[in-house]
Amino acid sequence: GAVVSQHPSRVICKSGTSVKIECRSLDFQATTMFWYRQFPKKSLMLMATSNEGSKATYEQGVEKDKFLINHASLTLSTLTVTSAHPEDSSFYICSARGDRGRTDTQYFGPGTRLTVL
Amino acid sequence: KNEVEQSPQNLTAQEGEFITINCSYSVGISALHWLQQHPGGGIVSLFMLSSGKKKHGRLIATINIQEKHSSLHITASHPRDSAVYICAVMEYGNKLVFGAGTILRVKS
Repeated sequence: GAVVSQHPSRVICKSGTSVKIECRSLDFQATTMFWYRQFPKKSLMLMATSNEGSKATYEQGVEKDKFLINHASLTLSTLTVTSAHPEDSSFYICSARGDRGRTDTQYFGPGTRLTVL
Repeated sequence: KNEVEQSPQNLTAQEGEFITINCSYSVGISALHWLQQHPGGGIVSLFMLSSGKKKHGRLIATINIQEKHSSLHITASHPRDSAVYICAVMEYGNKLVFGAGTILRVKS
């Protein structure tokens, strides 16, 4: 069964609003969570890495003030897209790594499709 | 040149055919993942390999560390195997680098 969940699975919002996406590890403690973005017909692009209790590390070119990441507990990380614009429309995927199985295994969430009108 | 190269980019097969998808990489890695992404987007991790061969049902994955090459095989393919198959390598430092994916379509 799924070990990482994401909520919501789909969201449509108006330009200028903020959208929060949740990523939860269901049966393990995720010491590290990763947020990816996927454009149509493209591979996943790592946006940021977050460790529980500390600030996220953002990849080059990713605006930290635009994509706010909070990893407040060992089972929950959130990605907030602030003041969303149509170019933020994309598929956002989280993955988690922790004390389940091998510690270098990443478990992927099902993804969240964001459409900004 | 991308660090992770997959071939073919697109593959169409008839139901029942044996399918091979290849992945070559150019960096030192600690592990290699094969992922499956169905239409609608959800990603499933099929295998994680650091050496040798793994089998799960009709799926087989092999890796040759010296040659920096991995293959994913599907035996007795079925239309429900239609998906995008992604190779991802874990560099030392635990960063995943993804291939562009192989779009597989199995026709009945």
